[in-house]
Amino acid sequence: NAGVTQTPKFRVLKTGQSMTLLCAQDMNHEYMYWYRQDPGMGLRLIHYSVGEGTTAKGEVPDGYNVSRLKKQNFLLGLESAAPSQTSVYFCASRTGALSYEQYFGPGTRLTVT
Amino acid sequence: AQRVTQPEKLLSVFKGAPVELKCNYSYSGSPELFWYVQYSRQRLQLLLRHISRESIKGFTADLNKGETSFHLKKPFAQEEDSAMYYCALHLPDRGSTLGRLYFGRGTQLTVWP
Repeated sequence: NAGVTQTPKFRVLKTGQSMTLLCAQDMNHEYMYWYRQDPGMGLRLIHYSVGEGTTAKGEVPDGYNVSRLKKQNFLLGLESAAPSQTSVYFCASRTGALSYEQYFGPGTRLTVT
Repeated sequence: AQRVTQPEKLLSVFKGAPVELKCNYSYSGSPELFWYVQYSRQRLQLLLRHISRESIKGFTADLNKGETSFHLKKPFAQEEDSAMYYCALHLPDRGSTLGRLYFGRGTQLTVWP
């Protein structure tokens, strides 16, 4: 099993450009999460999903959109990138309601100039 | 308000010395607490969960409900323990059984030879 994978690993965007980050998991997990990691701020939850077709906002959702069209994929979109969105983005997944352990992807390093 | 507080951003010890990484949480119920570790340029991985009361890589953590703390300890630190450590609290989400993790801001541990 590959576990949780993220595409791309690195990306540089110009202000105003758009992009989509892909998270994929092959563990048949119900719940998926997108976090951003910034120095001195820890991990902050952007959006999450309890299952195919459902999404919800986390702590810092502004400027991001998500979609969960397939159970194994969770997409994070930036419609108009801003320098404040320069960060490392982590995706995570979890089996279900009774298991709280989250499995993380390797991260995507995004720079917006 | 911060749900999880890790008061030390940086912590340095010499190899063989004891180490304690502090974590305090804010929750009046029965908490589900975790320690995650992130080695240099790697993904986050679960180190400990309080419910299992296990010792991993020589680390232990005890839940103290009176002090609302979940400090991580190791009696003899090793150079390979150098990493970023995050304390996390799982709380149920309002109106759902999903729940999510609230992370502290992390403590960067450096173990000198």
